[in-house]
Formats: sequence, structure tokens, C-alpha cells
Amino acid sequence: AQSVTQLGSHVSVSEGALVLLRCNYSSSVPPYLFWYVQYPNQGLQLLLKYTTGATLVKGINGFEAEFKKSETSFHLTKPSAHMSDAAEYFCAVSDRGYQLIWGAGTKLIIKP
Amino acid sequence: NAGVTQTPKFRVLKTGQSMTLLCAQDMNHEYMYWYRQDPGMGLRLIHYSVGEGTTAKGEVPDGYNVSRLKKQNFLLGLESAAPSQTSVYFCASSYVGGLQETQYFGPGTRLLVL
Repeated sequence: AQSVTQLGSHVSVSEGALVLLRCNYSSSVPPYLFWYVQYPNQGLQLLLKYTTGATLVKGINGFEAEFKKSETSFHLTKPSAHMSDAAEYFCAVSDRGYQLIWGAGTKLIIKP
Repeated sequence: NAGVTQTPKFRVLKTGQSMTLLCAQDMNHEYMYWYRQDPGMGLRLIHYSVGEGTTAKGEVPDGYNVSRLKKQNFLLGLESAAPSQTSVYFCASSYVGGLQETQYFGPGTRLLVL
């Protein structure tokens, strides 16, 4: 069965600093990978996704993620954090059916 | 377009009471999903539907029932609420199901069962 591990339930960075949120997955087949963001008291929205093709994927709000098959990773990065990036971020991997397998989430805290 | 809407936004129930959560989408999506979100556990799929009149069980279906009588609506029912069902419930929809489809989420329903 597929699984998703997000390292760190909380990550704190200073405004302007690099954001790195880690996601590792287990899959016996080539996966499709997603990052979703949840702002306080809102539903989730897609940040970016990898399906096929280029392994470096660019998303909204300056975020990007790189699919590394050899490391079974799909880490999310942003060069310079902004206060508005404070949210919870979820990594997900596709199942063989119609289901997404979700990580537990990482809350990103931005320090002024 | 309103996207995905959920009613109610918040509800308090006593153990043993029943209620129905309503999800509506105006994007003509075929697939709809009900999730629950609990701290530290991410999202867990309760039930989903691949089209009008069809439903299927997800990861945690016990204690819940669903119906998809109309394409745009997906109802989640709790027949006899239990404190373990205290959670935030999210509905989502996608154009088609499948491995690469983006899911669009509603704002959530906070349910407290006393």
C-alpha cells in the first residue's frame, strides 16, 4: 500500500528565508504527486502537481517541487517566505483507484 | 461560480442524534468525495461517488452513509452520532476521477459530538 510521510508537523522560518517542506512516499509504481495548501478556516486548494514530464514543477505563489524518483521524494520549496504563506501544507500521492493518499500535513509558521 | 459549497458550517450534536451534511458543486464534476480531517492525521476518505446514483466506500466508512441522487449534490449522513465523529468534514469534487485529477474542496463543516 502506498503511504506518504511529511517530515515535521510544524516548520518555522523567518520572513524572507527559504521554505523547505519535505515529503516522501512509498510506491511500487510511478506515482502522481500533489501538494495542497490549507489556509486557516478554509478548504484545501491545489498548489502544484506532478503527473509526467519535467520533474521540477512550478506552482502558484512562487512554490515549486521536484520529483526525485531515486529518493522517493517530492519536497516543496519557495526561495523567500512571505507572511501570507502561513498555512498548512499537505502532500498527497495517487492510489491506483480514485483515491489520494494524504500525508499528515505540515504547518508552516512565518516569523516576522 | 460558487465552486464547492457545504452546509452547515458548524454543528453541535448530542450522542445518538442524526444529521445530514450537504455538499453542492456547480462545476459539472462527475466525481465527489467526503473526507474527515483530524489533527495529525491528514485527510481520510469516508465515501466517494463516481457519478450520479453511485457511491463507494473509502478508508473510514463506518458510521456514515451517503447518497448522490443528483449529479451536483453529495450528502453525508450520520445516523447515530458518536463522539469519535467529532471532526472537520470536507467535500471535494473532480471533473473525472483518476490518478492525476485535481480535487476542488469546499470550506468544511465543523462537527462537535457531545
